[in-house]
Amino acid sequence: RKEVEQDPGPFNVPEGATVAFNCTYSNSASQSFFWYRQDCRKEPKLLMSVYSSGNEDGRFTAQLNRASQYISLLIRDSKLSDSATYLCVVNAGKSTFGDGTTLTVKP
Amino acid sequence: DGGITQSPKYLFRKEGQNVTLSCEQNLNHDAMYWYRQDPGQGLRLIYYSQIVNDFQKGDIAEGYSVSREKKESFPLTVTSAQKNPTAFYLCASKIGAPTNEKLFFGSGTQLSVL
Repeated sequence: RKEVEQDPGPFNVPEGATVAFNCTYSNSASQSFFWYRQDCRKEPKLLMSVYSSGNEDGRFTAQLNRASQYISLLIRDSKLSDSATYLCVVNAGKSTFGDGTTLTVKP
Repeated sequence: DGGITQSPKYLFRKEGQNVTLSCEQNLNHDAMYWYRQDPGQGLRLIYYSQIVNDFQKGDIAEGYSVSREKKESFPLTVTSAQKNPTAFYLCASKIGAPTNEKLFFGSGTQLSVL
């Protein structure tokens, strides 16, 4: 079993849709969690940190559920520019990446 | 501006050749990392260094070597022993390890085999 597993995707949604990604992790000692966005052949860029209390940044909401060991990312009112691969990252000393979920937002 | 610089952006390797990818950071970060990304997959850790003159193997270190002679620099050599080197290579750093701070990435090097 992988340490960090993401929804395989791809997700193809129309503009304006709401889409959610999940990411599960196996190490209960994990201490910090992030969502990164990666465009094709570019470096990953930090989208959001994830906290137990949940955090929101505009159309994006991230949640952490320690009891069930998963994190989630919710995107509301999807835009064409949201099309990218979304990577979850779990830190337990070292950073472990999920394989990414690809989102395509269509007109 | 502070950041991480990777070079070259594209690199071609001939069979049996060693090639070195450069990674320089001016963020004063202690920890530096090398990742490999294959198409449609996530990032896999090759090597990491938490302090100058020290480094550890990651999950896929075979066929690679690194050095950390200076805090700012963490070059990666892809040796001829790496039989499938074609991939996108990303260098990253963070303040220290093991801390829970986020990673900062360079813009990557695409390595291809001729």
